[in-house]
Order: sequence, then structure tokens, then C-alpha cells
Amino acid sequence: AQSVTQLGSHVSVSEGALVLLRCNYSSSVPPYLFWYVQYPNQGLQLLLKYTSAATLVKGINGFEAEFKKSETSFHLTKPSAHMSDAAEYFCAVTRGAAGNKLTFGGGTRVLVKP
Amino acid sequence: EAGVTQFPSHSVIEKGQTVTLRCDPISGHDNLYWYRRVMGKEIKFLLHFVKESKQDESGMPNNRFLAERTGGTYSTLKVQPAELEDSGVYFCASRPRGGETQYFGPGTRLLVL
Repeated sequence: AQSVTQLGSHVSVSEGALVLLRCNYSSSVPPYLFWYVQYPNQGLQLLLKYTSAATLVKGINGFEAEFKKSETSFHLTKPSAHMSDAAEYFCAVTRGAAGNKLTFGGGTRVLVKP
Repeated sequence: EAGVTQFPSHSVIEKGQTVTLRCDPISGHDNLYWYRRVMGKEIKFLLHFVKESKQDESGMPNNRFLAERTGGTYSTLKVQPAELEDSGVYFCASRPRGGETQYFGPGTRLLVL
């Protein structure tokens, strides 16, 4: 069975500060990992994904994440927060090849302070 | 290219009533998924269609939920009779054959009173 843990259901950052959202996973097979974002009143949008290629993955809107197998982590970062980054972020894992169901973490809501 | 669409965006019904949610996947996507987020909890998988066939329905909570995908295009998820604990946001996602990414719709917010 797979699971995902996102540390912190709410994170508050100042505009211009580093955004760091933590995601740890467990998987008995090599995982595929995803970060999705949900802006207010919208659906889930893919930020980035890890599918066994480069361990440092760059996504949209300046976000990136690093897959660390030894730490079973896939933390999401952005060097400088913008007001438009206020949203809820979800880390998800799927087992091996594409097509399998996604297992999500609980989500982290990001508040950006001016 | 149009994204995944879901209808209705919101639904408020009374306990015991029936509700049908609809999902239109991205055109040509063989794979269609349903997920649900109950308030305060994580998003959970319900089921997966490949074309019109149910590939995995291990997440369906009970037999009050019925999903269909006739013709392998749009899908419906019927809840009959609805219970209070069915309230939440129901997401649909689609994925092309051989692709890695699931593309999500905006969700249907269901409130059962």
C-alpha cells in the first residue's frame, strides 16, 4: 500500500520569501510522484511530476521539487513567493507505471502575506 | 483543447434523494477516474474506467454509488439514496492511453442535508 504525508495543513509565507512544502511518501515499488495545485474555485492543476528520470524536477510558475529516495521525500519549493501562489497544494503518488490510481496527501493551504 | 468538465458545479440535496454527477473527459482520453474529497480529509480514489470498462472500483464506498461510462465517452456517478456522509467534492480526471498525467476537472460540490 502507498501513503503520502504532507507536513502542515496550513503554511503562511511572506511575499518574496521561500516557499517550502513537505511531502513524504511510502511505496513498495518505485513511485511516480506529482504535485497538484488548486486555486480558489478551480480544479486541480498539475505543477510538476517525477517519473524516474531527473531527480530535480522543474514545474510551472517557478516551482521545483527534488526526489530523494533515501529520505522518501518529494518536497516542493519556490525561491520567492508571489501573492498569486495562494492556493492549496497536494502531493500524490502512484505505483510504478502510469495508469494507477493516485494516492493523495492531505493538502497544504498556502497563505501569502504582503 | 477543452479540459475535463463536470456538471453540476454544485448540488444541494436532502438525505434519501438521488443525485447524478456527470464528467466529460478530454476528447480521446481512454482513462477516466473519479475521486472524492470529504471535508477535512484527503482526496480519495473511487474508481477507474478504461474506455467503458471498470478497471478498478476498489475505492467505491458502498453499493449506493453507481458509476457508468456508456460508449467510453462521458461518465456518470449516481448516488442513491444519498446520505449525509456523502457530502464532499467529487473530482473527475482523465488520462490519455500511455500518458502519465491525470488531468482533473473543477469538481462537483455535493451537500447532503
